[in-house]
Amino acid sequence: AQTVTQSQPEMSVQEAETVTLSCTYDTSESDYYLFWYKQPPSRQMILVIRQEAYKQQNATENRFSVNFQKAAKSFSLKISDSQLGDAAMYFCAYRTLSIQGAQKLVFGQGTRLTINP
Amino acid sequence: DAGVIQSPRHEVTEMGQEVTLRCKPISGHDYLFWYRQTMMRGLELLIYFNNNVPIDDSGMPEDRFSAKMPNASFSTLKIQPSEPRDSAVYFCASSRTGSTNEKLFFGSGTQLSVL
Repeated sequence: AQTVTQSQPEMSVQEAETVTLSCTYDTSESDYYLFWYKQPPSRQMILVIRQEAYKQQNATENRFSVNFQKAAKSFSLKISDSQLGDAAMYFCAYRTLSIQGAQKLVFGQGTRLTINP
Repeated sequence: DAGVIQSPRHEVTEMGQEVTLRCKPISGHDYLFWYRQTMMRGLELLIYFNNNVPIDDSGMPEDRFSAKMPNASFSTLKIQPSEPRDSAVYFCASSRTGSTNEKLFFGSGTQLSVL
């Protein structure tokens, strides 16, 4: 079974600075999807960015980018020019491409990000 | 579109009572998911439906939990009888197809407290 580990329960950063959130995962599969979700105080889970494992190029979405290291099974999220609205819980998630279980997202425990003004 | 709509937003009940959580997926979405979020176990998939049919309920913790989807626009998750350890945030999510690159849309969750 796949597992996802986020080793940083909490992180903080100064507004306008850059912060990197860590995520590692364990899988025997060669192809899969990885995601970062944001959960603000409103509780709604919001997709931030996703990465297909077969793509070597790191995904980017505006101020959000990932550092995908497939061999190391690492998938970190970098937030540039941090804004107060980025404060939230961030979850790393794994999704298999196999037919059985393809609908299941496996989540990490989350990292609470605080933005200091 | 209003997104995935869940009700109630908060539910407080006493142990032994029946609890019903409700979800309205995004119109046109064929897949509906129920997730549970707790401090101890994080986010876990409980069950999902495709075209109103339950496909995988292996995540449902006990027989006290049941889920239905009588039509494409409505689903319920019922706990009977409820126990304090059921206290959690329950999320409903939907996606247009079951494709692995399909985006999953979450509702705002129901915070359940069982006293």
